[in-house]
This record gives sequence, structure tokens and C-alpha cells, in this order.
Amino acid sequence: EPEVTQTPSHQVTQMGQEVILRCVPISNHLYFYWYRQILGQKVEFLVSFYNNEISEKSEIFDDQFSVERPDGSNFTLKIRSTKLEDSAMYFCASSEYGQGLQGYTFGSGTRLTVV
Amino acid sequence: GQQLNQSPQSMFIQEGEDVSMNCTSSSIFNTWLWYKQDPGEGPVLLIALYKAGELTSNGRLTAQFGITRKDSFLNISASIPSDVGIYFCAGQRANTGNQFYFGTGTSLTVIP
Repeated sequence: EPEVTQTPSHQVTQMGQEVILRCVPISNHLYFYWYRQILGQKVEFLVSFYNNEISEKSEIFDDQFSVERPDGSNFTLKIRSTKLEDSAMYFCASSEYGQGLQGYTFGSGTRLTVV
Repeated sequence: GQQLNQSPQSMFIQEGEDVSMNCTSSSIFNTWLWYKQDPGEGPVLLIALYKAGELTSNGRLTAQFGITRKDSFLNISASIPSDVGIYFCAGQRANTGNQFYFGTGTSLTVIP
């Protein structure tokens, strides 16, 4: 079964530092997403990415955040100047079709802890 | 942001019992998904629904896309201990791109 792979599984960072969360989507998928889940809360959409550009983003995804597909396989989320409230699970997802037909495939997530 | 309300928030049931949970919205959705999330893991897709009134099964799981397009239901029959987890609905609205809005989750505990 194809998987979305995320690294690291857990990242601890000092407030104010920059972090990069990495994802390897499923190889034939063309649409990529980042979602966030604060502990005990629902999963929240951050951004979707297609054809090397952001196709949609939520109000959470402000200038502190950026995404990149630096090569043919990785999809990264960069969080600059981290704040305590950025602590959450960050899930990468990918889909073959843009409307999420068949749903997304989620990775196992990166737990970000900002101290 | 878009609010999807799931109920109940949590359930404690005996092994073998059937489970029902639902998800409601004030907006119309054109796609409903149901996911299960185990602790420390990402959500895993259980069932996808694309048409109002659609009833779809996946093993012991059955989900329905409500006729009003503002709700969806998930039923689990003959629950087993591995059904434990948090169940999320997710909906996609027409003409708002490919973003899914997730529900607040239903935490299921199965007592052997």
C-alpha cells in the first residue's frame, strides 16, 4: 500500500526558531496538502499545492508559513519564528485528483513542540 | 471557518454493540468522508460519499450521505476492541476548491 512519509516524527524547537517539516507524497499523486491538529482538537486545513504553486490556503497559513517542493519527491512546510501556539501535529496528505476524489492519503504526522 | 458538528463527542460501548455517530453542517457539501485516527497516527480514510442519499459500506462500517447534503452518518456494527479511536467526518463544499473541513471528532472506546 503506497504511503505518505513524514519526517521527523517529533520535533522540539525553541520559540523563535525556524523549522522545516518534510513529506514524501505518494509518487503518482499531484496534489499535496498540509493540515494541522492541535492536541485534542480537530484537523485543520493549512494549504494545498499543485503544479508548483499554492492553490488554496486557510487564514491560519499566514506569512509565517511557506511550502516548497524542492525536488521531484519532497514537499516541505517551513514555519518561521515559531510560537508556542504552533505546537501541534502537522499532517501532510496527497491525492491523485484535485477535488480530493477518493479522499486524501495522510502521513503519520510530525509532532511539533515549541518550548 | 466552516463548522462541522459531530455527535456524540465520545462513546463508551461494550464489545459487540452497534455504534452510530453523525456529522452536521449549516452548509451544503458535495463530498463527505469518514476517517479514523489512532493515537499518534494520521487519519485513515474509511468511507467516501459523493451523492446525496448514497449509502456505502466497508466491512462492518456503513455511512450515508444525508438527503439534505448537510449531514452524514456512520454506523459500526458488532464493534470490536480495535475499533477504538477517534472518528472524524470531513466535508468538501462545492466551488470552494479542494479543501476539506473536518468535524470535531467522536472518540470511541470499546470495552471488551
